Amino acid sequence: ELKVEQNPLFLSMQEGKNYTIYCNYSTTSDRLYWYRQDPGKSLESLFVLLSNGAVKQEGRLMASLDTKARLSTLHITAAVHDLSATYFCAVDIIEGGSQGNLIFGKGTKLSVKP
Amino acid sequence: KAGVTQTPRYLIKTRGQQVTLSCSPISGHRSVSWYQQTPGQGLQFLFEYFSETQRNKGNFPGRFSGRQFSNSRSEMNVSTLELGDSALYLCASSLAGYSTGANVLTFGAGSRLTVL
Repeated sequence: ELKVEQNPLFLSMQEGKNYTIYCNYSTTSDRLYWYRQDPGKSLESLFVLLSNGAVKQEGRLMASLDTKARLSTLHITAAVHDLSATYFCAVDIIEGGSQGNLIFGKGTKLSVKP
Repeated sequence: KAGVTQTPRYLIKTRGQQVTLSCSPISGHRSVSWYQQTPGQGLQFLFEYFSETQRNKGNFPGRFSGRQFSNSRSEMNVSTLELGDSALYLCASSLAGYSTGANVLTFGAGSRLTVL
């Protein structure tokens, strides 16, 4: 059974601190996605990582992918309150040409406190 | 351009009833997929449609069904509602078509279903 595991599931940070969210997956896949969800809102795409060693950065967030280790990380630098949200990683499963079948982790609920 | 539109946004039903949720994808997007989000199970894949054909289905009972119309709009139906069906139902669209490129899903705001 395909599994996508994130840790930690809950993260309380102080503003200005750095931290990393980890995403492990159990299948062979080189397509990894990070999404953000604010309370009561839908999911917003953050990063798409398509190959081993891929690194993407946007503001205080940086995502990387190691397909050999089946691991992706989302690094937060100098956190600010606006980053408080739930972050999901997802792995793409292509079956017979089908897309749209993303397997999501449980999400990491990030709370940034002053 | 307009995003993914889901209707209704909120609805309350009682056990045993049925419900139909609607999703209008981004213009030009031919793939529509549906997810169920609950606090306990997280985001779970329901099914995906492309050109009016269901291409993939998640592990849900037959009470959950869907369809896609020629204009790519999609509906999902849940019959004989159970308390456990209370969830946020998210629709997402993408350009799709088999490729080695990214499969970035754009999600709608969701339909929050409460079953009493």
